[in-house]
Amino acid sequence: GAVVSQHPSRVICKSGTSVKIECRSLDFQATTMFWYRQFPKQSLMLMATSNEGSKATYEQGVEKDKFLINHASLTLSTLTVTSAHPEDSSFYICSSRWTETQYFGPGTRLLVL
Amino acid sequence: QQQVKQSPQSLIVQKGGISIINCAYENTAFDYFPWYQQFPGKGPALLIAIRPDVSEKKEGRFTISFNKSAKQFSLHIMDSQPGDSATYFCAASKDGTSGSRLTFGEGTQLTVNP
Repeated sequence: GAVVSQHPSRVICKSGTSVKIECRSLDFQATTMFWYRQFPKQSLMLMATSNEGSKATYEQGVEKDKFLINHASLTLSTLTVTSAHPEDSSFYICSSRWTETQYFGPGTRLLVL
Repeated sequence: QQQVKQSPQSLIVQKGGISIINCAYENTAFDYFPWYQQFPGKGPALLIAIRPDVSEKKEGRFTISFNKSAKQFSLHIMDSQPGDSATYFCAASKDGTSGSRLTFGEGTQLTVNP
């Protein structure tokens, strides 16, 4: 199957700072990538759909100015959590589709102090 | 219309037993139904998937049963092993829309006792 990587795997930051998370498709080109957020013992919540070369589509209730998404190439999408606060602490996961399957990255654990 | 309901929320099975997880969907436009397995601190990994033109698909110890008229599908894990202990998510999508975004069930935490 296809491989999706994320970096970093975990990050701790101070409240008010910004954090960038990278999502890469390693062996295929991804015109569309998805960003999810997952709280402990809960399901994955779709935050936004990242489209290469165009603006991301955000789900209702997700602040686009707080969660900046850039999909500048066919293998890289980035999620920047701006002015992070403790309530942004979560597990962030990206995915991308190859053939009919969505492949997920390993996730990024964000802890905001 | 976009919901996928999953049950049970948690499941405890003895080693060698059969684990059964059920999902029901509302949107008849869904045409792709994958199951994902997730271990703590990891991203979900595709386990098995089915399309509505077949009623059953088996891969090793994992089987999906699909009932189109009832809008239900289930995952059966035969000969469950302690290594199968994880959270399982069913999902559904419809091709051609929004890059085939997935709608997930709530998840089932499976524990297989040795």
